Amino acid sequence: DAGITQSPRHKVTETGTPVTLRCHQTENHRYMYWYRQDPGHGLRLIHYSYGVKDTDKGEVSDGYSVSRSKTEDFLLTLESATSSQTSVYFCAISVGSGEQYFGPGTRLTVT
Amino acid sequence: DQQVKQNSPSLSVQEGRISILNCDYTNSMFDYFLWYKKYPAEGPTFLISISSIKDKNEDGRFTVFLNKSAKHLSLHIVPSQPGDSAVYFCAASPGGSQGNLIFGKGTKLSVKP
Repeated sequence: DAGITQSPRHKVTETGTPVTLRCHQTENHRYMYWYRQDPGHGLRLIHYSYGVKDTDKGEVSDGYSVSRSKTEDFLLTLESATSSQTSVYFCAISVGSGEQYFGPGTRLTVT
Repeated sequence: DQQVKQNSPSLSVQEGRISILNCDYTNSMFDYFLWYKKYPAEGPTFLISISSIKDKNEDGRFTVFLNKSAKHLSLHIVPSQPGDSAVYFCAASPGGSQGNLIFGKGTKLSVKP
């Protein structure tokens, strides 16, 4: 258990509404990541952070923004949710040598 | 353009036999390769990794083999158990400071009693 929690665990929202997902870690790791998992695509990197206020884009960043005001929290925001953003979202932390630990996931449905 | 490929979406094996999951990659600059196991409604969990400077790493029933000339790695599970039934993701680390992983699409392993 790497001390990673995600909230909410499930959310249903309507197209066009803003949504924020939260990732919280208890172990003070510098690097944090947001991935999405979709059938036929594996996990794809959305954004990552390498420290407080330091973030960068991943492979599928369009339509998403992130913020990290504290070491322990990494927020993912969908400014205006679309049906293509229906997915399962995973947060992860890096513990070195390429190894990452993942949170339990948030299942988001955009109707 | 997939950098990490798992060409078998599914694999079915009898309990007690060997499971072999395969993964191919295109980028010779990857420095670590990892396998993750994922059960439904849970996050992926780290299983085993291998550095690009090695060709084998073993941990209990799990062994990962790396063939750099073929840009291929495989995960061997011996003996397979019903609890091993899950989706297995191969991942590669491009190196550098950002530490992100590039994942394959996964292989669903079913181990039948």
